[in-house]
Amino acid sequence: IAGITQAPTSQILAAGRRMTLRCTQDMRHNAMYWYRQDLGLGLRLIHYSNTAGTTGKGEVPDGYSVSRANTDDFPLTLASAVPSQTSVYFCASSQVWGAEQYFGPGTRLTVT
Amino acid sequence: EDKVVQSPLSLVVHEGDTVTLNCSYEVTNFRSLLWYKQEKKAPTFLFMLTSSGIEKKSGRLSSILDKKELFSILNITATQTGDSAIYLCAVESSGSNYKLTFGKGTLLTVNP
Repeated sequence: IAGITQAPTSQILAAGRRMTLRCTQDMRHNAMYWYRQDLGLGLRLIHYSNTAGTTGKGEVPDGYSVSRANTDDFPLTLASAVPSQTSVYFCASSQVWGAEQYFGPGTRLTVT
Repeated sequence: EDKVVQSPLSLVVHEGDTVTLNCSYEVTNFRSLLWYKQEKKAPTFLFMLTSSGIEKKSGRLSSILDKKELFSILNITATQTGDSAIYLCAVESSGSNYKLTFGKGTLLTVNP
């Protein structure tokens, strides 16, 4: 089934640990995005990639890194998790840069 | 700083009512405005608007953009309980840095 998958669905993580959230799409979309959604703050863009091999910073990039080795995968890494990174993380993709985005099911991350 | 403001923050109606959701924005280098519906999990795309005065329709939902007054409305006619969701407005801006700024959303509850 075409779409975007994210893993894990949820995770509880101790502060200071490293964590990679996975995102894969099979729609051959060129652009991919990572957001976090927090109560009262809405969706905020963390990082994006407009094509394989390139990445860019969004509104709240600090503490996160991404890579885009191929078209399908766009992992988000927290090098040393902190409690303020507790959030719901959504990955999204769009066919081309600036087109409408399609969202994955999200990962609920709790950092204790 | 780019801003996207949605109103009302929440709304409770009865089935069959018509609702209008508002989104106003202040961004530099406006590119497009998007509407999303978010139920329990990921946002799903509704509309992308780039030109003023051209209504987009999908069933009972419609939306229009006013680039002079910097706002958009989302109309839902003959509401159903399945329309209950958070409706998100987002504005894309281009330039040296890509930005997609989301509003905080409008929580719509449709009671039978």
